[in-house]
Amino acid sequence: EAGVTQFPSHSVIEKGQTVTLRCDPISGHDNLYWYRRVMGKEIKFLLHFVKESKQDESGMPNNRFLAERTGGTYSTLKVQPAELEDSGVYFCASSPYGDEQFFGPGTRLTVL
Amino acid sequence: AQKITQTQPGMFVQEKEAVTLDCTYDTSDQSYGLFWYKQPSSGEMIFLIYQGSYDEQNATEGRYSLNFQKARKSANLVISASQLGDSAMYFCAMRELNAGGTSYGKLTFGQGTILTVHP
Repeated sequence: EAGVTQFPSHSVIEKGQTVTLRCDPISGHDNLYWYRRVMGKEIKFLLHFVKESKQDESGMPNNRFLAERTGGTYSTLKVQPAELEDSGVYFCASSPYGDEQFFGPGTRLTVL
Repeated sequence: AQKITQTQPGMFVQEKEAVTLDCTYDTSDQSYGLFWYKQPSSGEMIFLIYQGSYDEQNATEGRYSLNFQKARKSANLVISASQLGDSAMYFCAMRELNAGGTSYGKLTFGQGTILTVHP
């Protein structure tokens, strides 16, 4: 069974540009989570989907971040426009029932 | 709000010895779960062990065990017989119930502890 996959693995962009991160959860997992870790700090929750619905988006830092989950399958996280402080590693995790969360390898975003 | 504290930024251990990584938590929930994840230099997050707040026995998974002391709100990870491949960042995390209390939601993470195993 394939694990959680994320694309791209690395992204380097200029401040002000747009970046879209993608997460493909484990097939059949209704719960999908986004987290991020900025340099030297703890991993922080961004939001939680149950199927295509946003269950909890309390961790989204501001309206430059937009997350979608089309048809309850894969999810995208768009940052527009990107700022320097958005640099970090963005993790996606999925879970069948909301218990154990299986993490993807992360996307390392660098904003210059 | 829930909070996880890992007070050891870095730990060193000799190969084949045991090591304890500290984790304390703060929550007003009665029902919660505690997790430990390992993040090697390759970056992926690997689930190690889980302890439910109502579990009476300490969780064990192979060389990993969780020393759960509910009254002290601590959930320390014990790694026995350390191996060179155990060198990594280790995160303690707590699972919350969502606002409606109907399903489990986000994880709250500690700052992490970097473990280095010496040969």
